[in-house]
Amino acid sequence: QKEVEQNSGPLSVPEGAIASLNCTYSDRVSQSFFWYRQYSGKSPELIMSIYSNGDKEDGRFTAQLNKASQYVSLLIRDSQPSDSATYLCAVNRWLGNAGNMLTFGGGTRLMVKP
Amino acid sequence: DTGVSQDPRHKITKRGQNVTFRCDPISEHNRLYWYRQTLGQGPEFLTYFQNEAQLEKSRLLSDRFSAERPKGSFSTLEIQRTEQGDSAMYLCASSSGQGVTDTQYFGPGTRLTVL
Repeated sequence: QKEVEQNSGPLSVPEGAIASLNCTYSDRVSQSFFWYRQYSGKSPELIMSIYSNGDKEDGRFTAQLNKASQYVSLLIRDSQPSDSATYLCAVNRWLGNAGNMLTFGGGTRLMVKP
Repeated sequence: DTGVSQDPRHKITKRGQNVTFRCDPISEHNRLYWYRQTLGQGPEFLTYFQNEAQLEKSRLLSDRFSAERPKGSFSTLEIQRTEQGDSAMYLCASSSGQGVTDTQYFGPGTRLTVL
């Protein structure tokens, strides 16, 4: 079992729809969770971070965390063609003085069709 | 631009050659990370520095790989005797070390192609 799992997609949604991206993780001591967006050939760009159970909203993006179910999701409202990219879920375990360890899922490719 | 910078952006080399990449983190960040990403996969952790100390290394980092951060500022990643399997995007990230909310910001990456 992979430590962080995502459906590779592609997830295809029409412009203006809600895109729902999901991620599960295996390490119960994980403490913080991140969504990065990666355009083809580019590096990951931070979209959202979430640390507590529940929802966190930032503009058109909402991150949802359920630690009991070891599940993180990202909702993108009013999807735009410019949102077409690969979305990476990353799970962080704080190691104290040894720093922290980010483990990434394989990413979900999102395609927003005009 | 005050973000993470990496140099070179692209490197093509022949198998068996040595290559070195440089990363300059965000200036106030004391933590620096190296990752490797192959096509269709998420980034994989390679190594981590807090200031000049290398505190964590992945088992992915074979003895052909070495990383340094001599003065706690920029870092270099060297690959000796490159192999075709080393072809990947090498990503550098930095963070300020704020506990569990610590957030890593990535540079543009160095794409390595080994012929």
